[in-house]
Amino acid sequence: AQSVAQPEDQVNVAEGNPLTVKCTYSVSGNPYLFWYVQYPNRGLQFLLKYITGDNLVKGSYGFEAEFNKSQTSFHLKKPSALVSDSALYFCAVRDINNAGNMLTFGGGTRLMVKP
Amino acid sequence: SQTIHQWPATLVQPVGSPLSLECTVEGTSNPNLYWYRQAAGRGLQLLFYSVGIGQISSEVPQNLSASRPQDRQFILSSKKLLLSDSGFYLCAWRATPGQGYYGYTFGSGTRLTVV
Repeated sequence: AQSVAQPEDQVNVAEGNPLTVKCTYSVSGNPYLFWYVQYPNRGLQFLLKYITGDNLVKGSYGFEAEFNKSQTSFHLKKPSALVSDSALYFCAVRDINNAGNMLTFGGGTRLMVKP
Repeated sequence: SQTIHQWPATLVQPVGSPLSLECTVEGTSNPNLYWYRQAAGRGLQLLFYSVGIGQISSEVPQNLSASRPQDRQFILSSKKLLLSDSGFYLCAWRATPGQGYYGYTFGSGTRLTVV
């Protein structure tokens, strides 16, 4: 069965500093990977995805993620954090072995950006 | 463009009362539809998914049920709510394979509190 792990419950970073939110995955076959962000009492907003191609994926709001097949990782990054980036971030992988093609999510990482 | 509507936004229901949450999608046909539950503001648990009208797959045995009476309508129900049904419920859709769109779009969620 496929799975996603986000090893950090919370990441703290100062505004203007680079940020990284970690994600590792376990799948059979090629992974379809996603990052979503959630603000309080809101739905999930899509940030970026990796399907195939360039290992560095650029997404919304200045975020990017690097796909590393050998390390089975898909870390989310941003060169300069903003206070408004503070939110809950989810990494997810699509189950291509199931007719439903559902997403399996990691446990989430809370990002706190301090002024 | 494709949009997803989910209502109500918040709901407070007594234990033992029935539940009906509705989700509709616009701008696409034959989408895959999903119901997720998020407890305690963290991890997302897949409850049900549907690949077509009347086709419902359950991922977790529980007090809830789902139905898809129309192509773009997905309903989450319960005959008698339990305290443990409290949580944040999210509906999502995905274009069926072959339509060239790999993303998943989430509704704005329903905060259910069972008292």
